[in-house]
Amino acid sequence: NAGVTQTPKFQVLKTGQSMTLQCAQDMNHEYMSWYRQDPGMGLRLIHYSVGAGITDQGEVPNGYNVSRSTTEDFPLRLLSAAPSQTSVYFCASSSRQGAQHQPQHFGDGTRLSIL
Amino acid sequence: QQQVKQSPQSLIVQKGGISIINCAYENTAFDYFPWYQQFPGKGPALLIAIRPDVSEKKEGRFTISFNKSAKQFSLHIMDSQPGDSATYFCAATIRNSGGSNYKLTFGKGTLLTVNP
Repeated sequence: NAGVTQTPKFQVLKTGQSMTLQCAQDMNHEYMSWYRQDPGMGLRLIHYSVGAGITDQGEVPNGYNVSRSTTEDFPLRLLSAAPSQTSVYFCASSSRQGAQHQPQHFGDGTRLSIL
Repeated sequence: QQQVKQSPQSLIVQKGGISIINCAYENTAFDYFPWYQQFPGKGPALLIAIRPDVSEKKEGRFTISFNKSAKQFSLHIMDSQPGDSATYFCAATIRNSGGSNYKLTFGKGTLLTVNP
């Protein structure tokens, strides 16, 4: 059981380039989210999805796009990378199960540097 | 507006000591308060969580104390060990009808160092 898998683990981009950060989970979780982690800022929610075909914006969505065509995958797209998007990106998933809160399962992150 | 304020930013504790990390929140609609532990190079992992109808929750050496009237909660790590050295994040969320906490609001984190 792999859990949440993020690829790549590291990436260096030039300003203006585009790229897609991949996230896949094998737990059949309905909910998936993308966070960015910056020093001294904690984790901030970028986009989230409550199921295939449904996405919504989080706290810091500008410059990022997402789609959810399958339950397993939730890619994050940077359309035109900017130095301010240098960060560590985490994908997380959680299940919708009854009335109990379910923990979010995080991947190990993608470390992205934009020059 | 920072909805979850966490302190201190960093904490150094001797082995066997008590580590205390504090958080305060503003949104009274929050109804679930998890703590996450993160080791270098890894994603955060759920450590312990509490609902506001409970004043304290203990799991092993980890205890959450919750003060609903003050809108504050804290993590206590008893008998701290070098292996506890990590970054700790408090978080808060609003339970949706499905029961999942997919939208977490995090504090800024506390870097805990436990010296041997």
